[in-house]
Amino acid sequence: GAVVSQHPSWVICKSGTSVKIECRSLDFQATTMFWYRQFPKQSLMLMATSNEGSKATYEQGVEKDKFLINHASLTLSTLTVTSAHPEDSSFYICSAPRYNEQFFGPGTRLTVL
Amino acid sequence: GENVEQHPSTLSVQEGDSAVIKCTYSDSASNYFPWYKQELGKRPQLIIDIRSNVGEKKDQRIAVTLNKTAKHFSLHITETQPEDSAVYFCAVSTDSWGKLQFGAGTQVVVTP
Repeated sequence: GAVVSQHPSWVICKSGTSVKIECRSLDFQATTMFWYRQFPKQSLMLMATSNEGSKATYEQGVEKDKFLINHASLTLSTLTVTSAHPEDSSFYICSAPRYNEQFFGPGTRLTVL
Repeated sequence: GENVEQHPSTLSVQEGDSAVIKCTYSDSASNYFPWYKQELGKRPQLIIDIRSNVGEKKDQRIAVTLNKTAKHFSLHITETQPEDSAVYFCAVSTDSWGKLQFGAGTQVVVTP
């Protein structure tokens, strides 16, 4: 199979602090990963494409300086939410492609107080 | 960019009846059309997908049809069961390895 994990599964932080979320492909290599954000009762919105060895590609309207993405290796992409505010509270999900489909991580619930 | 519309937003069906969800898209370059089921707080699960060279695909109680000329595709669930209750999302991409644009989602409730 193809397994994607995320860490942490949930995090609570204070406004103004930074939070790092990890996405790992456990049994395969992923040169590309995708980051999505999902607000309650809404759809998944693509934030950015994470590329191993190069800069991430951000979707229109996503602040690249606020959502820092680093694809450090063929199995790890990280999303850092800098200077988090309550409006950044959301469900963050990553995915990686393999076997002609996307495999999603379990998601990270971020709550900013 | 790609625009994906999904209808209805909510769907209530009696157990045993059929459910149909429809999606339309705008980008003619799109070639990959997956459907996902998501339970509350969980990751989306792929339930079926179709590629542009195929008009229909079926997997037991689930089927997907694609009309590439009209740029719409539909999910059909037959003999619905209470465990089919969830939010269903359609998605569109240029290929199965690319980024996905999701529809708004359909909350399906199957009542016994």
